[in-house]
Amino acid sequence: GENVEQHPSTLSVQEGDSAVIKCTYSDSASNYFPWYKQELGKRPQLIIDIRSNVGEKKDQRIAVTLNKTAKHFSLHITETQPEDSAVYFCAASKGGGGNKLTFGTGTQLKVEL
Amino acid sequence: DADVTQTPRNRITKTGKRIMLECSQTKGHDRMYWYRQDPGLGLRLIYYSFDVKDINKGEISDGYSVSRQAQAKFSLSLESAIPNQTALYFCATSDPGSYNEQFFGPGTRLTVL
Repeated sequence: GENVEQHPSTLSVQEGDSAVIKCTYSDSASNYFPWYKQELGKRPQLIIDIRSNVGEKKDQRIAVTLNKTAKHFSLHITETQPEDSAVYFCAASKGGGGNKLTFGTGTQLKVEL
Repeated sequence: DADVTQTPRNRITKTGKRIMLECSQTKGHDRMYWYRQDPGLGLRLIYYSFDVKDINKGEISDGYSVSRQAQAKFSLSLESAIPNQTALYFCATSDPGSYNEQFFGPGTRLTVL
């Protein structure tokens, strides 16, 4: 089955700096890569996703890049703010019907003032 | 608002007790999932169901069972709880037309003494 590795497990940045979280996956058939954000005491929520037919996707201060050849994808957060502090999970799936997500182990991001 | 709800939100029980966690959704989604979250281990899939007559084991199904009573209801049971089942449990739903974006419930914090 699919295996998703995520690094780093913890990340501390100064407010206004950029943060990068990286994930690798094992199944070359995976084609859907979402990122979930979980604030303290809350449920995980989708913040951005990318499909394998594109290499990059941006939404305001967040972006995701995908390298299919190397089987890795990354989340980039620019101009970090205190409200970005949370646990971030990457995931991979073959997408479409009949397929489930495999999650990474999570990254605890702390944005310091 | 259409949502995913879980009951109970917190539960403390003793080793050997039978426990049922319940999940209900008003999103009209066919697919439902049970995950457990442990620090440093991310979200691991216990069971999933793609419709009322479909039940599938996830990566960590031992010691758990599920019941899909209706499209909107999916219950997780621990037949004889043990301390290493202490965790945060999430139910989630997805729509097959949405590339498996998962919508999570608020979580149930289970402690087995």
